[in-house]
Amino acid sequence: SAVISQKPSRDICQRGTSLTIQCQVDSQVTMMFWYRQQPGQSLTLIATANQGSEATYESGFVIDKFPISRPNLTFSTLTVSNMSPEDSSIYLCSVESGGPNYNEQFFGPGTRLTVL
Amino acid sequence: AQSVTQLDSHVSVSEGTPVLLRCNYSSSYSPSLFWYVQHPNKGLQLLLKYTSAATLVKGINGFEAEFKKSETSFHLTKPSAHMSDAAEYFCVVTSVYNQGGKLIFGQGTELSVKP
Repeated sequence: SAVISQKPSRDICQRGTSLTIQCQVDSQVTMMFWYRQQPGQSLTLIATANQGSEATYESGFVIDKFPISRPNLTFSTLTVSNMSPEDSSIYLCSVESGGPNYNEQFFGPGTRLTVL
Repeated sequence: AQSVTQLDSHVSVSEGTPVLLRCNYSSSYSPSLFWYVQHPNKGLQLLLKYTSAATLVKGINGFEAEFKKSETSFHLTKPSAHMSDAAEYFCVVTSVYNQGGKLIFGQGTELSVKP
């Protein structure tokens, strides 16, 4: 299994500012995923990040609001831009295990964001 | 298209009694199904998974789930609840044909365990 860390673990931000969340994996992975979990809700996929190509965004999410970087096979960042209180959520990254456990995903601990 | 429905938003049981968390899925292709658990202020942990092998799947901490294609169900059970089982549980569906590994999450079931 992969060990995933995220920074920061939590933050409180002001409306209109931006926050960049980092995701680090202890092994090389092809795909990394970013999810949002709004308060009391389930997880929703924001985008899939592949190294060396543009991220693929799900319906309802756009690059201008959630720019993603994937500079190498162990690291990715998600930026939440021009934040509003509606962006208050837990943001999680995950990776696919690959091999015989195809499409099983391991999740990071999450970043709890509060926007005032 | 794929979707998953968790039939109960909240389940409450007494310690030592059985646990049943219900999940129904919809998938155009052979599904892969998972149960994840999320303890308060902690990340998601995989409990168990079904990927077209045995229909009765055993997971960690005494949990198991049975894949029933005729009923499109993947209910999670445990014979005897423990206080530490109190958490949010998510049923998840995907498919080996689903390029990009997109997981579809159910709305979650909050499990409470009373002493």
